Amino acid sequence: QSALTQPRSVSGSPGQSVTISCTGTSSDVGGYNYVSWYQQHPGKAPKLMIYDVSKRPSGVPDRFSGSKSGNTASLTISGLQAEDEADYYCCSYAGSRGVFGTGTKVTVL
Amino acid sequence: EVQLVESGGGLVQPGRSLRLSCAASGFTFDDYAMHWVRQAPGKGLEWVSGISWNSGSIGYADSVKGRFTISRDNAKNSLYLQMNSLRAEDTALYYCAKDTRIAVAVAQFDYWGQGTLVTVSS
Repeated sequence: QSALTQPRSVSGSPGQSVTISCTGTSSDVGGYNYVSWYQQHPGKAPKLMIYDVSKRPSGVPDRFSGSKSGNTASLTISGLQAEDEADYYCCSYAGSRGVFGTGTKVTVL
Repeated sequence: EVQLVESGGGLVQPGRSLRLSCAASGFTFDDYAMHWVRQAPGKGLEWVSGISWNSGSIGYADSVKGRFTISRDNAKNSLYLQMNSLRAEDTALYYCAKDTRIAVAVAQFDYWGQGTLVTVSS
């Protein structure tokens, strides 16, 4: 049960776009359309940002978007804002279990 | 308003047991799958275990299989995690989380509790 692979960090200036990748296998990301993304600020519980690969929960800004191609899912933050600085984790269903990504720190320069 | 409140964490010696509880409110508890997710200090998130609405489908991470048992009591709107043979590497903040899907567990979490800290140390 290896964790999904994410870049350790990404950064961008306010207003720019950043994309975080999440690479798994055909047994998880590639096999199901149940990929989700979470934002976590220090000392806080994670918050759902994207589910079912590309759906946004109510209240999540449309600057956040998700996609998937093969065994790799992606989260794109457009129009980066200071409050987007946080850790981001992907998660995939893998048949009776879940598997998280290694996590990515997003820094707003 | 959906609320998930974990309890039962604390300091425990290696090899001992602990039972975590999660009290749910604000939604129809017996409609949804539920999960436990943990986060070791300074580390990433790790899915621990999930249970379907009727306890008919249960899954565990390899790291806890055979030592941890998830259960639920729909009459009490409560989720549990029985943790036996605890190890130092089980030290973490344990979150209770609600699945996005009715009935089945697809490991997507739309509501989280604030977590309960488990520390395994002699």
